Amino acid sequence: DVLLTQSPLSLPVTLGQPASISCRSSESLVHSDGNTYLNWFRQRPGQSPRRLIYRVSNRDSGVPDRFSGSGSDTDFTLKISRVEAEDVGIYYCMQGSHWPPITFGQGTRLEIK
Amino acid sequence: EVLLVESGGTLVQPGGSLRLSCAASGFTFSKFWMNWVRQAPGKGLEWVANINEDGIKTYYLDSVRGRFTISRDNAKHSLYLQMDSLRVEDTALYYCAGTLVTDDYWGQGTLVTVSS
Repeated sequence: DVLLTQSPLSLPVTLGQPASISCRSSESLVHSDGNTYLNWFRQRPGQSPRRLIYRVSNRDSGVPDRFSGSGSDTDFTLKISRVEAEDVGIYYCMQGSHWPPITFGQGTRLEIK
Repeated sequence: EVLLVESGGTLVQPGGSLRLSCAASGFTFSKFWMNWVRQAPGKGLEWVANINEDGIKTYYLDSVRGRFTISRDNAKHSLYLQMDSLRVEDTALYYCAGTLVTDDYWGQGTLVTVSS
């Protein structure tokens, strides 16, 4: 199974400051079709997860452009250019390149300092 | 408006069975892969099973294969998860989620508690 390791696990950020979350995979996430199926989700307190980024760097509809995804092969990053109060929650990376099983990272809790 | 509404979660004894349902509306259900994803209390997300658009292909997490069965009825816009031989470690909030490349929808979840 593909293991996804996120860091940090806890991320206190000052409002208006940038934030960055790393997701490292135990193997390359390049699929045989040439695509890389690495997604990012946010789960706000008491809510269901919501996908923010798909295939490494594509923002889902309605996701603010202060969210960006980057990376390749085994090393991926989610960046928030300026953190807002509504960004509080737990962020998960997820891979769909080598499955079953589809696997998630352990989650990064973002909080406001 | 896209809606995924799960139901069927409850308290069940170890070894028991349960059938979860997920009613979909607001999108073309028959075009989506559908997933069950669970979240144990205070824990992260764990993919459980998925099924392709026409219901022919199904895939499972190793720990549930042989105990859980995913199915769908496109005419009723519904997804199901038959859960047999339940274990304490199956206790979780179970979400149904629909996925296309550019679209991804989740329900609010239904709570399954396995305890004696």
